[in-house]
Amino acid sequence: SQTIHQWPATLVQPVGSPLSLECTVEGTSNPNLYWYRQAAGRGLQLLFYSVGIGQISSEVPQNLSASRPQDWQFILSSKKLLLSDSGFYLCAWSVAGTRIRKQYFGPGTRLTVT
Amino acid sequence: SQQGEEDPQALSIQEGENATMNCSYKTSINNLQWYRQNSGRGLVHLILIRSNEREKHSGRLRVTLDTSKKSSSLLITASRAADTASYFCATDPSVTGANSKLTFGKGITLSVRP
Repeated sequence: SQTIHQWPATLVQPVGSPLSLECTVEGTSNPNLYWYRQAAGRGLQLLFYSVGIGQISSEVPQNLSASRPQDWQFILSSKKLLLSDSGFYLCAWSVAGTRIRKQYFGPGTRLTVT
Repeated sequence: SQQGEEDPQALSIQEGENATMNCSYKTSINNLQWYRQNSGRGLVHLILIRSNEREKHSGRLRVTLDTSKKSSSLLITASRAADTASYFCATDPSVTGANSKLTFGKGITLSVRP
């Protein structure tokens, strides 16, 4: 069966510090991968998605970047965090090449920038 | 822009009552999906209804879709305290291509009082 992991679960970082969040997917090959951010009490904002190794699409201009060094690994990064980067970050995957884009989500990372 | 808009934003009911949540959208869809999010957790897929379907059931869940009105409803029957969560609709557009993807609404907060 497929599983998705995210870490860390929670993170408190000062403004201006770097960020690295990791997401890994097991039990499936060549998944589509997604990074979302959810502000408190708000909906999901799609940040990045990837259809393969090294293939990243950015949805909104921002202080963040994403990379996919392995088929099963998706990393969200920042060189210098802003207060506005605080939020709940969710990684998700879906089966590639299908018309039904059902998504499977990880447990999330709660990021607080102080 | 957000494709799915849920209504109401918040709903509070007594255990045992039915909960009805609505979702409206703007453009043509291939399918519509409902997800649940418990506080501080990732989203979990509940049910998917295709554009050529009008109603679908899964346990205590009933989903309807009216493509002429571009709306869907999620009914949870005989609610339980464990149903307390946020519920999101997500639309999967009928157009294909690298830029087509699920779009989530802002969510409905359901509270079920014991």
